[in-house]
Amino acid sequence: DAGVTQSPTHLIKTRGQQVTLRCSPISGHKSVSWYQQVLGQGPQFIFQYYEKEERGRGNFPDRFSARQFPNYSSELNVNALLLGDSALYLCASSPWGADSPLHFGNGTRLTVT
Amino acid sequence: GEDVEQSLFLSVREGDSSVINCTYTDSSSTYLYWYKQEPGAGLQLLTYIFSNMDMKQDQRLTVLLNKKDKHLSLRIADTQTGDSAIYFCAEKSTGDDKIIFGKGTRLHILP
Repeated sequence: DAGVTQSPTHLIKTRGQQVTLRCSPISGHKSVSWYQQVLGQGPQFIFQYYEKEERGRGNFPDRFSARQFPNYSSELNVNALLLGDSALYLCASSPWGADSPLHFGNGTRLTVT
Repeated sequence: GEDVEQSLFLSVREGDSSVINCTYTDSSSTYLYWYKQEPGAGLQLLTYIFSNMDMKQDQRLTVLLNKKDKHLSLRIADTQTGDSAIYFCAEKSTGDDKIIFGKGTRLHILP
């Protein structure tokens, strides 16, 4: 079975631009979460979606938004990019959401110049 | 607030046991996880333990939980070069949506 897949793997953007990152969960998983991992740090929670509804949001500005589609795939959007948004963006899926272990993809490396 | 602390580096000789330690602050934590991250990769779930357990063993991995001291450890027996990676401790409270990660412990294997 395929794991969590994310696209693109790498991305370079300029300050002020907008970016969309994509994630396909493990088949049968209904929950998708997004995490930001800055170099040298542990991942920080951005969003969780379950059955297409937002279930949780971390301490990130409104420039960050996400959605989940009927097939349970998800997109993370970041507007008005800042240099500090440069990070590895990790998507994770889980079978039923809040109390099930997360399985992570390999991430999208975003560089903002 | 919630916090997870772990030492940043550990060096171990090949064949020895590695013990990675972690402390957390949230007394309502119900799930505690260990993830492994190799260079350029995402996080691989190694094992997890419920807070009502003291120990969990899975092949070369042993997790010990001291709930009173809020201390979690991961022991890797017979450490191999392929175990070289960053290991993240993480905790989650019941019904909460997010997992809180530590900064990771970089495990270096000496020949």
